[in-house]
Amino acid sequence: DAKTTQPTSMDCAEGRAANLPCNHSTISGNEYVYWYRQIHSQGPQYIIHGLKNNETNEMASLIITEDRKSSTLILPHATLRDTAVYYCIVRGYKLSFGAGTTVTVRA
Amino acid sequence: SAVISQKPSRDICQRGTSLTIQCQVDSQVTMMFWYRQQPGQSLTLIATANQGSEATYESGFVIDKFPISRPNLTFSTLTVSNMSPEDSSIYLCSARDTNSPLHFGNGTRLTVT
Repeated sequence: DAKTTQPTSMDCAEGRAANLPCNHSTISGNEYVYWYRQIHSQGPQYIIHGLKNNETNEMASLIITEDRKSSTLILPHATLRDTAVYYCIVRGYKLSFGAGTTVTVRA
Repeated sequence: SAVISQKPSRDICQRGTSLTIQCQVDSQVTMMFWYRQQPGQSLTLIATANQGSEATYESGFVIDKFPISRPNLTFSTLTVSNMSPEDSSIYLCSARDTNSPLHFGNGTRLTVT
């Protein structure tokens, strides 16, 4: 599986959009980009995934660059409940988790 | 999406003993995986639980220490054998069906004293 690089931590203001970047420069053509988050004491929660087109669901939007070497997860209106560790994963056969980004939403 | 239940949710065990963790999925799934999350760390894949055959282990994990069963398409168990304090972790079951995302249970928090 391709390796991903994410910032270690980010602070976001409640009610504002949170933009979480991820670099995956070694991604191959058939690998999807997946985003998960893990709220303290819970299992990872699936957020969204995409191959090359931008995707949106009820939780977030995923923007993938044209060369697919990076992506951005957008939480449109961050709330305190969005405080979590966010993992960007490029998936082949199975998911390998990196260190993720610790996102803290502040009031 | 699949709902995954794990039992027990937590346990405190003595060194040298074994604990079997159960994972039940509310629908048939093609793939099940077991992960470990050590304190303050990210998730590490232990093995793929294969239905009707031996599990496929990742580097650093062996069947004698972490025997896994998967008797059908909705159920799997992970046993942590001959435990030591270094085995204190959260153990997570995950599952997915073909062309669907991977979903996780809430994990089993194990403390070995």
